[in-house]
Amino acid sequence: VQLVDSGGGLVQPGGSLRLSCEASGFIFSRYSMVWVRQPPGKGLEWVSSIIGGTGDTYYADSVRGRFTVSRDDSKEILFLQMSSLRVEDTAVYSCARRGFGTGWNFDLWGQGTLVTVSS
Amino acid sequence: QSALTQPPSVSAAPGQTVTISCSGSSSNIGKNYVSWYQHLPGTAPKLLIYDNYVRPSGIPDRFSASKSGTSATLGITGLQTGDEADYYCGTWDTSLSVVLFGGGTKLTVL
Repeated sequence: VQLVDSGGGLVQPGGSLRLSCEASGFIFSRYSMVWVRQPPGKGLEWVSSIIGGTGDTYYADSVRGRFTVSRDDSKEILFLQMSSLRVEDTAVYSCARRGFGTGWNFDLWGQGTLVTVSS
Repeated sequence: QSALTQPPSVSAAPGQTVTISCSGSSSNIGKNYVSWYQHLPGTAPKLLIYDNYVRPSGIPDRFSASKSGTSATLGITGLQTGDEADYYCGTWDTSLSVVLFGGGTKLTVL
């Protein structure tokens, strides 16, 4: 059971990048998924959620209109398309699975992929 | 600035007990369940507590949590050097329709 993040790298301000999160060992389609980021020296920040089954999406104000979350349940991959990137988007981005229970909790995390936005 | 407030750091000696607070508001902690995470640098965060006080399988009972009103607390007993990490609380905010994390608390085991 694991999540593997990929797609990070160095990109110039205003550029685009697509992150991927490959799931294995569980029935991906049944789970809601999120992207969380951690800027250097700072804490965790939720970026986006996509609901399993409905595909409904939610975004943090800081990325709404610039980032798009999507999923391919047949290939068990979660995506984050990032555009109009800003220096402040520099962070380690991790995908996570919403776990059991009533509240929003995340029981499985990817190892993270570093996105650096710099000229 | 996080909508959930945690102390930046706490410390205690091995074997002792420490508590970490998480303060929110009526639209987040006051209405929704709280989870807690342990994060060691360079590793994936680990879920310690969900639904306010429930431990996932494999989490030792040295870790416990509670919620009252708009605040939540994580407790760790019998501190070990391996507990040194950053700890985060998290919840849903009903008014904002967002997931919130606290700013994180760095635990030092002296």
